[in-house]
Amino acid sequence: DIQMTQSPSSLSASVGDRVTITCQASQDMSNNLNWYQQKPGKAPKLLIYDVSNLETGVPSRFSGSGSGTDFTFTISSLQPEDIATYYCQQYDNLPPLTFGGGTKVEIK
Amino acid sequence: EVQLVESGGGLVQPGGSLRLSCAASGFTFSRYWMNWVRQAPGKGLEWVANIKQDGSEKYYVDSVKGRFTISRDNAKNSLDLQMNSLRAEDTAVYYCARDRRYCSSTSCYVSPIAFDIWGQGTMVTVSS
Repeated sequence: DIQMTQSPSSLSASVGDRVTITCQASQDMSNNLNWYQQKPGKAPKLLIYDVSNLETGVPSRFSGSGSGTDFTFTISSLQPEDIATYYCQQYDNLPPLTFGGGTKVEIK
Repeated sequence: EVQLVESGGGLVQPGGSLRLSCAASGFTFSRYWMNWVRQAPGKGLEWVANIKQDGSEKYYVDSVKGRFTISRDNAKNSLDLQMNSLRAEDTAVYYCARDRRYCSSTSCYVSPIAFDIWGQGTMVTVSS
């Protein structure tokens, strides 16, 4: 199974800050990595698929990059509505599909 | 409106059984892979199982193999998860989620495997 190590597990940033989350795979992967946002008490929402493709309707301040074992999710300018937990998810080697442990983003 | 609505959660004793259902609407259910994903209280997301459009392929996370069974009824636009021999560690919110993989009338798309539509979740509590 591919393990996804996400970091940091939580962060606090100011409105307007650039926020970066990383996801490291336990082995080399193709571009089979997605990012989700989960707000408290809500179901997750797909933001980015295949490393860098923005889901329809998702603001352009969200972006993704990376290859091999190291992947990055970025919010270019943090907004109050971005308060949530973010998860990476791999589908390179399955089953099982696996998620990272999550990164909780808070406003400073 | 594209929608998934789960039902069937509740409190069950260890060793007991529960059947979850997910009602789909607003899209052609029979054309999509479908999944169950769970989230233990205060924890992260864990994929549980998925099923191909026609039910011919099913996959499970190791921790539920032999205990959980995923199934679908395309005529009723319904996805189910039969959960037997439940354990305390199965306590979680269970979400059904639509997979991006779908089949049109002429082609099937095998990627990305991304969950683009989610239900609101149903809580399963395993406790004596």
